[in-house]
Amino acid sequence: GAGVSQSPSNKVTEKGKDVELRCDPISGHTALYWYRQSLGQGLEFLIYFQGNSAPDKSGLPSDRFSAERTGGSVSTLTIQRTQQEDSAVYLCASSLPVRSTGSTDTQYFGPGTRLTVL
Amino acid sequence: LAKTTQPISMDSYEGQEVNITCSHNNIATNDYITWYQQFPSQGPRFIIQGYKTKVTNEVASLFIPADRKSSTLSLPRVSLSDTAVYYCLVGRGTGKLIFGQGTTLQVKP
Repeated sequence: GAGVSQSPSNKVTEKGKDVELRCDPISGHTALYWYRQSLGQGLEFLIYFQGNSAPDKSGLPSDRFSAERTGGSVSTLTIQRTQQEDSAVYLCASSLPVRSTGSTDTQYFGPGTRLTVL
Repeated sequence: LAKTTQPISMDSYEGQEVNITCSHNNIATNDYITWYQQFPSQGPRFIIQGYKTKVTNEVASLFIPADRKSSTLSLPRVSLSDTAVYYCLVGRGTGKLIFGQGTTLQVKP
């Protein structure tokens, strides 16, 4: 079956411009996550959706970052007035919460969008 | 969420068994231990998860001692294609994953 897809795969933009990154989760997965990974670094959590609601936005680095999810499916991460420090790979993941046990949900990651801000 | 500590890098040769140990001294009673693998230019991929003792799947084994303050990921007979970054995480249920720096495993011919 199809995995998590993200678009575009690469995005080059100029400082100060707005960008939109898209994530299509695995069909039926109610949980969706955004992370970012700077060069040579680990993953940094940004935001988590359960359905269309975002119970955890604690990782968004500034008010220039926002995200929405519609129809419990596709999500868009928007970065306004991009800065050079926003350059990173933005990864989306989805999961199907396991109710029967307390184990950690397996998150399935997309290939990421590489954002370069000039 | 409990913090994890693992070696930054490890080297191995093809055909050897590789053991990567992760310490998580502050693991909570209900936390599970999960390992992810990440190849260059790809998102992380789930490898294995366990709560206690030993778990084995087709890819790896996970050893967890009784006190659960550490865990060891064991990769049998590694090949060049196992060169990747391996992340140890602890937590439970649904929600964000906290990734540390991970262990960069380099498998040499």
